[in-house]
Amino acid sequence: NAGVTQTPKFRVLKTGQSMTLLCAQDMNHEYMYWYRQDPGMGLRLIHYSVGEGTTAKGEVPDGYNVSRLKKQNFLLGLESAAPSQTSVYFCASSLTGRGQTGYGYTFGSGTRLTVV
Amino acid sequence: GENVEQHPSTLSVQEGDSAVIKCTYSDSASNYFPWYKQELGKRPQLIIDIRSNVGEKKDQRIAVTLNKTAKHFSLHITETQPEDSAVYFCAAGGSQGNLIFGKGTKLSVKP
Repeated sequence: NAGVTQTPKFRVLKTGQSMTLLCAQDMNHEYMYWYRQDPGMGLRLIHYSVGEGTTAKGEVPDGYNVSRLKKQNFLLGLESAAPSQTSVYFCASSLTGRGQTGYGYTFGSGTRLTVV
Repeated sequence: GENVEQHPSTLSVQEGDSAVIKCTYSDSASNYFPWYKQELGKRPQLIIDIRSNVGEKKDQRIAVTLNKTAKHFSLHITETQPEDSAVYFCAAGGSQGNLIFGKGTKLSVKP
């Protein structure tokens, strides 16, 4: 039982390049989330999914796209990377949504992305 | 929009002292309030949580209190140790089924 696995762990991109971050969970969780973490800004929600085939925008969705084709995977894409997207990206999953049992998030280990 | 305010942003205490971190939330419908600890270079990890039908919860040296009327909740760490040094995040359950996080408190425990 690996929990939540993120790949890659580190990446350096040039401005304008594209890439996809992969998040995989083996806990049969319905909900999955992508956050970015910047100094002094806490954790800000980019996009999330409440089940296979669904996605929704969070607080800072611009410049990112996501897909949830399989329940266990949640992909975050950057079509044209910008220096402002330099950040640490965390994926998380939870069994169900708000107000229900098993709500707690399990986080992945993070991806440190630098855009030069 | 939904918001969680967290204070202080930094906190320095002597080993053995107590530490208190406070959060306020805006969505009166929130009913789940977890706290996460993030050590340097690591992922956030859940340390304690509380639901709105409970006013206080304790787990060894850490405790959380909730005042739903005032819409604030607090983390209390007693007998602090150097290994308590980390960034702590509070969060509140949002209306979309996600958590809204505070901006974090960097706790330093001096030996």
